[in-house]
Amino acid sequence: QVHLVESGGGVVQPGRSLRLSCAASGFTFSDYGMHWVRQAPGKGLEWVANIRSHESRKYYADSVEGRFSISRDNSKNTVYLQMNSLSADDTAVYYCAGELYTNGWYVGYFDLWGRGTLVTVSS
Amino acid sequence: QSVLTQPPSASGTPGQRVTISCSGSSSNIGNHNVNWYQHVPGPAPRVLIYRNNQRPSGVPDRFSGSKSGTSASLAISGLQSEDEADYYCAAWDASLNAWVFGGGTKVTVL
Repeated sequence: QVHLVESGGGVVQPGRSLRLSCAASGFTFSDYGMHWVRQAPGKGLEWVANIRSHESRKYYADSVEGRFSISRDNSKNTVYLQMNSLSADDTAVYYCAGELYTNGWYVGYFDLWGRGTLVTVSS
Repeated sequence: QSVLTQPPSASGTPGQRVTISCSGSSSNIGNHNVNWYQHVPGPAPRVLIYRNNQRPSGVPDRFSGSKSGTSASLAISGLQSEDEADYYCAAWDASLNAWVFGGGTKVTVL
């Protein structure tokens, strides 16, 4: 069975850092570009970051550029999100999502999703 | 404020047809494919429609998508109680160099 399982969430003080992990199983992890998407309380989904499957190119939303860093370890089937200089605006459930790379193209949609991990930034 | 605009809510009785709109611009919907995601609180979100009107295997054909110009829509025909969820449209935005989502539409089955 295909699984994406996020971990690492919790309560953190403003200005501090946190690293999220997303462990993949049941599929060929290196065939997927990986994304982080978040949902603040009472709000909609917001795309956060993307890392390509093989090239390791990375993309970020303006709201996190310079503070967050996405990385992956294909040997461990895991994608990470390092979050620095956290503020209350970063409070959200963070989901990892996968986008298949096939026939030389990314499919253009997120076909794998985890259940999310909650990050609360509060003093 | 989301880049893509959706109505916050929609509702219908079992068996009815419900349509959700998603409005964008030339930098996103106008020149890129639209995807729709269903999110029931608790479980993981799932893709419902991709590339404007394509359904992944396992998604009932009650769900259909369309796109015209800078707008898209999701239709649910033969509404069922298990369709109660939040629905999000999404597209790549070439001006922002980012994936953008609508604010979500909560569908209630009366």
